[in-house]
Amino acid sequence: EAGVAQSPRYKIIEKRQSVAFWCNPISGHATLYWYQQILGQGPKLLIQFQNNGVVDDSQLPKDRFSAERLKGVDSTLKIQPAKLEDSAVYLCASSSSGPTDTQYFGPGTRLTVL
Amino acid sequence: KQEVTQIPAALSVPEGENLVLNCSFTDSAIYNLQWFRQDPGKGLTSLLLIQSSQREQTSGRLNASLDKSSGRSTLYIAASQPGDSATYLCAVSDLIFGKGTKLSVKP
Repeated sequence: EAGVAQSPRYKIIEKRQSVAFWCNPISGHATLYWYQQILGQGPKLLIQFQNNGVVDDSQLPKDRFSAERLKGVDSTLKIQPAKLEDSAVYLCASSSSGPTDTQYFGPGTRLTVL
Repeated sequence: KQEVTQIPAALSVPEGENLVLNCSFTDSAIYNLQWFRQDPGKGLTSLLLIQSSQREQTSGRLNASLDKSSGRSTLYIAASQPGDSATYLCAVSDLIFGKGTKLSVKP
């Protein structure tokens, strides 16, 4: 069974530029999560999708971050414009039906904002 | 607001030692708790998922317990090995993570 795929693995941009991350969850998993992990911290949930609908985006900075999950499969997370404090690892995870199930994580995208 | 705390932040032990990692949470209204392992530069790997109706789960040398009433979970690692060196994180069902315990097992 293929795991959660993410790309790119690394990205370096200047502040005020835009960037997008892509995630392909495990086949058949209805729930998809995006997390932000700052060095030395635990992951912080940014947004949770159930199929292609948003369940929780309460911690997503909506003035600069956006995310979509078209057709309930792949997802894209975008930052526009980026700030220095957005430097972090962005993790995508999926589970079969929701937070009561095991979450499977992708390798993450390490973003550096200069 | 749920808060998850993991103590200690770092732990160094000699190979072969049994050890316990701690996770505490402030709101006991959870329906599960999950333990993860994170290797440097990698994503998280799920180790054990304990449902609120369970008191413990075991997988190989790992045993996790859950006491909802006291807001605590422990991860017990038996006969530690250098390959166990990693950061261990716990997360409660409302998707709140602790900061993790960085474990180093010395040969």
